[in-house]
Amino acid sequence: QVHLVQSGAEVKKPGASVKVSCKASGYSFSSYGISWVRQAPGQGLEWMGWISGYNEITKYVEKLQGRVTMTTDTSTSTAYMELRSLRSGDTAVYYCARAGYYSGGSWYPGALDYWGQGTLVTVSS
Amino acid sequence: EIVLTQSPATLSLSPGERATLSCGASQSVSSNYLAWFQQKPGLAPRLLIYDASTRATGIPDRFSGSGSGTDFTLTIRRLEPEDFAVYYCQQYAISPGTFGGGTKVEIK
Repeated sequence: QVHLVQSGAEVKKPGASVKVSCKASGYSFSSYGISWVRQAPGQGLEWMGWISGYNEITKYVEKLQGRVTMTTDTSTSTAYMELRSLRSGDTAVYYCARAGYYSGGSWYPGALDYWGQGTLVTVSS
Repeated sequence: EIVLTQSPATLSLSPGERATLSCGASQSVSSNYLAWFQQKPGLAPRLLIYDASTRATGIPDRFSGSGSGTDFTLTIRRLEPEDFAVYYCQQYAISPGTFGGGTKVEIK
């Protein structure tokens, strides 16, 4: 069965960086993409971006461009999300989710069908 | 960017009643690439419906999705106690894959 397991909670000071991992199992990692979604306390869901598991094509939401980097390590079926220059507004639970699939040489949109358990990132001085 | 607007923000219903949740898009969602999620406190969202009307694996048939273009609906035929939660729609047709603001279904 498909599982996405994320790294543990982090506490960071403003201006620092955080890197969250998401280890996938139970499917062919390179045949799917990974989306990252965050949720501030008491708020809704915010899509942050997407990375392909095949060739590291990325798409980021405009408001995070320049501060976020998504990468993958296909040898360990792990996706990473690094967020830099952290501020208090980045305090949130960060989720990874499987999304999009690769078939016949093309990528296709896909719903976020499997999710990690979430990683709480707290930014506080 | 496609903006998704969910209504109502809160729905107060009793177990056994029918719930109808709406999701409106600021522009047409191509190929009806629209999903619905359920989220309970402290847990990750759970995929209920994808491609506007297809139930995800293991989702009971009391959940159904409909609509196309810019107007989509999630219907819960008869609410069970475990259905009281927050529901989100999301479009995955174009980047960014925007979410609606959510509808909370609470016990009346």
